[in-house]
Amino acid sequence: EDQVTQSPEALRLQEGESSSLNCSYTVSGLRGLFWYRQDPGKGPEFLFTLYSAGEEKEKERLKATLTKKESFLHITAPKPEDSATYLCAVQAGGGTSGSRLTFGEGTQLTVNP
Amino acid sequence: NAGVTQTPKFQVLKTGQSMTLQCAQDMNHNSMYWYRQDPGMGLRLIYYSASEGTTDKGEVPNGYNVSRLNKREFSLRLESAAPSQTSVYFCASSEGWNYGYTFGSGTRLTVV
Repeated sequence: EDQVTQSPEALRLQEGESSSLNCSYTVSGLRGLFWYRQDPGKGPEFLFTLYSAGEEKEKERLKATLTKKESFLHITAPKPEDSATYLCAVQAGGGTSGSRLTFGEGTQLTVNP
Repeated sequence: NAGVTQTPKFQVLKTGQSMTLQCAQDMNHNSMYWYRQDPGMGLRLIYYSASEGTTDKGEVPNGYNVSRLNKREFSLRLESAAPSQTSVYFCASSEGWNYGYTFGSGTRLTVV
């Protein structure tokens, strides 16, 4: 069974204070690891897909990295508008399971001005 | 572009009542999904449709049925609602397995 564990559950930062969120996964043959952002009362919004260990992707103040066991979402000099819940998801295996994502519970990030 | 549209946004049902949650996407995506989101449980897949004409069970399908009406529309039906089905329901679509999902804004369902 595919498992995704995110830590910490909640993180409070001061504006400009850089940090990282962690996503550990156990899957049978990773096809892709996805990061989403979710604002209160809204659906998740797609950020990145990572496919293989060593891969990195960046978007504004966010950078996602991938190893064989975990992914990190690095937030550099965050702003209050970066406050949201960040979700990690994995896609594994083949056949019909290849269309399905398994999500972690998320990290709730609060950035104070 | 509207993206993924879900209706209704809020609903209160009595135990035993039935209802259908509607979902439509205008991006010509092949795959569509229904998830539920509960505190402490994360997003869990209920059913999905990899392409028009096909549907498959996800992690938590009991108590639900789905219909892929056409390429645009994917509905979720609760035949006899139970309090355990109180949740936020999200519909999503994607172009294929390696593309990110586009989510709707959710339906907040309370079963009393």
